[in-house]
Amino acid sequence: QLVLTQSPSASASLGASVKLTCTLSSGHSSYAIAWHQQQPEKGPRYLMKLNSDGSHSKGDGIPDRFSGSSSGAERYLTISSLQSEDEADYYCQTWGTGIEVFGGGTKLTVL
Amino acid sequence: QVQLVESGGGVVQPGGSLRLSCAASGFTFSSYGMHWVRQAPGKGLEWVAFIRYDGSNKYYEDSVKGRFTISRDNSKNTLYLQMNSLRAEDTAVYYCAKDGVVVATGPYWFDPWGQGTLVTVSS
Repeated sequence: QLVLTQSPSASASLGASVKLTCTLSSGHSSYAIAWHQQQPEKGPRYLMKLNSDGSHSKGDGIPDRFSGSSSGAERYLTISSLQSEDEADYYCQTWGTGIEVFGGGTKLTVL
Repeated sequence: QVQLVESGGGVVQPGGSLRLSCAASGFTFSSYGMHWVRQAPGKGLEWVAFIRYDGSNKYYEDSVKGRFTISRDNSKNTLYLQMNSLRAEDTAVYYCAKDGVVVATGPYWFDPWGQGTLVTVSS
C-alpha cells in the first residue's frame, strides 16, 4: 500500500535552515513526490516535484531558498534563510495508477 | 497566468446534492487533466477525483465512488464536481487543481491550486 509519512511538526529559528522529511512506504522507494505549502487560511501552493535521484523542478516563482533531495525512501524539503512567511503546513504527495496520496503534513513553526 | 476559480459551495442537508464548478484560465484547459481535492476543517488534504484532459478517464477516492461525479466542458474551460448523497463527513473546503503533466493519462501532481470553496453538510 502506497503511504507517505511525515512528522506532524517542526520548528526552526528565523534565518536558519530546516529539513522536512517525507518517507515512502516499503516497496515504493523509486517513486517521485511533490511538495506543497499551505500558509494559514490560504489554499495550497505547489513547490516542486522531487525525483528519487534528488533532481527536482520547482513551481513558478518559488525562491531558491527551497530545495529538495532524496535518499532511499526518504524525500526531503530544505528551506534555508527561514522567513516568517515560511510558517505553514507542508504536504508531500505522490501518485500511482488512478490514485493520489498525501502525507499527513508537517506544521512548520518559525521561532 | 494560470487561474482556477471554484464556485458552488454552500450549506446542504445530509442526503442532499450540490454541484461545484471550477473556471480555468491562462492555459490550454483541454490539454491538462484536472483534480478535485478537499480539506475538512482542521485536517489534512484528501484527493477526491481526477479527470483526464479529454474526459476519457476518471478516478475517484473510495469514499466518494458512486456518489460524486467529476466532469469537464473543454469548450467552456470549466471543471465540475456533482456531489450527491452528501454526508456530514463531506464537509470541507474543496479545491480544484490542474495536473502537472500535459496531455497525459495521469494523474500526477497538482500545479497550481485554486482558492477553494466551502461545502458544509449539516441539518
